[in-house]
Amino acid sequence: GENVEQHPSTLSVQEGDSAVIKCTYSDSASNYFPWYKQELGKGPQLIIDIRSNVGEKKDQRIAVTLNKTAKHFSLHITETQPEDSAVYFCAANNDYKLSFGAGTTVTVRA
Amino acid sequence: DADVTQTPRNRITKTGKRIMLECSQTKGHDRMYWYRQDPGLGLRLIYYSFDVKDINKGEISDGYSVSRQAQAKFSLSLESAIPNQTALYFCATSDFGLAQFFGPGTRLTVL
Repeated sequence: GENVEQHPSTLSVQEGDSAVIKCTYSDSASNYFPWYKQELGKGPQLIIDIRSNVGEKKDQRIAVTLNKTAKHFSLHITETQPEDSAVYFCAANNDYKLSFGAGTTVTVRA
Repeated sequence: DADVTQTPRNRITKTGKRIMLECSQTKGHDRMYWYRQDPGLGLRLIYYSFDVKDINKGEISDGYSVSRQAQAKFSLSLESAIPNQTALYFCATSDFGLAQFFGPGTRLTVL
């Protein structure tokens, strides 16, 4: 099955700075890579996803990059704001199922 | 996501009790999933169903069972709860596009 590793486990950034979270996956057949944001007391919310036929996707302040050869993908958040503080999860598909990374707790310092 | 609802939101029970967690969705998706979340372990798949007559075990199905009563309803049961089943439980749905949409979760405590 798919194995997804996520780093770092915690990340503290100054408001306005950028945050980067990195994930690696093991199954070369994986072709779908979503990112989820989980706020305290809520369920994970899909914030951006990328498929294997593109290398980068951007949506306002967030972007995801994918390197299929190296089997890693990253989430980039620019101009961080206090509301970006949350737990972020990466995932990769295994057929029609998702395998998740362990999560990164992001804290944006004012 | 308000389109996926879970009941109850919080539950405290005792070891050995039978517990049912319920999930309903109005997204019209065929696929439904149950996950367990523990600190530092991410989300782990318990069971999943691709349609009403389809039930599949995930990576941590021992001690759990499920029922798909209709396209919109998927229930998770703990036949005899034990303390190490204390966790957050999430239901999710998807269509054929792979993106999954999660409910608000149920916090279960087994004493």
